[in-house]
Amino acid sequence: KAGVTQTPRYLIKTRGQQVTLSCSPISGHRSVSWYQQTPGQGLQFLFEYFSETQRNKGNFPGRFSGRQFSNSRSEMNVSTLELGDSALYLCASTVLGTGNTEAFFGQGTRLTVV
Amino acid sequence: KQEVTQIPAALSVPEGENLVLNCSFTDSAIYNLQWFRQDPGKGLTSLLLIQSSQREQTSGRLNASLDKSSGRSTLYIAASQPGDSATYLCAFAYGGSQGNLIFGKGTKLSVKP
Repeated sequence: KAGVTQTPRYLIKTRGQQVTLSCSPISGHRSVSWYQQTPGQGLQFLFEYFSETQRNKGNFPGRFSGRQFSNSRSEMNVSTLELGDSALYLCASTVLGTGNTEAFFGQGTRLTVV
Repeated sequence: KQEVTQIPAALSVPEGENLVLNCSFTDSAIYNLQWFRQDPGKGLTSLLLIQSSQREQTSGRLNASLDKSSGRSTLYIAASQPGDSATYLCAFAYGGSQGNLIFGKGTKLSVKP
């Protein structure tokens, strides 16, 4: 059974550019969540998508956005990149996204903004 | 504001020792708590999920407990091995959704051969 797949694994972008990250959840999982991990802040919740709808959103600026497709694959977009956006971006999938289910994470996308 | 605290931040032990990692949280109305392992530069590997109605879960050499009334969870690792070296993170589901996890900063474990 394939795990959560994130692409690309590594990205280097310039300040002011935009970037799109992709996440394919485990087959049958309908909820996809995104997290940002930095050495200073640790893991922080960005947003969650379930059945193509954003269900929860963390405390991030509007430059961070996402969407989910009918096959549950999700993309995350960051516009007008800043140096502080350099981080490991992780996505997680769960079967239904309700309580009492296990979250599984991908290997992450390492974004470096120069 | 819900917060998760993990103590200690780092731990170094000789191989073979039994050890306990601690996780405390401020919101007792959690839905469940999950323990993860993260190797440097990698994603998170799920270790154990304790549902809100449970008090503990076991998997191999790992045992996790949950005490909602005191706001604490512990991860017990028996007979530690060098391959256990990693950062261990606890997280609880907030707002009824496993898709919104609140994480601690983790405990970095080093097991010396």
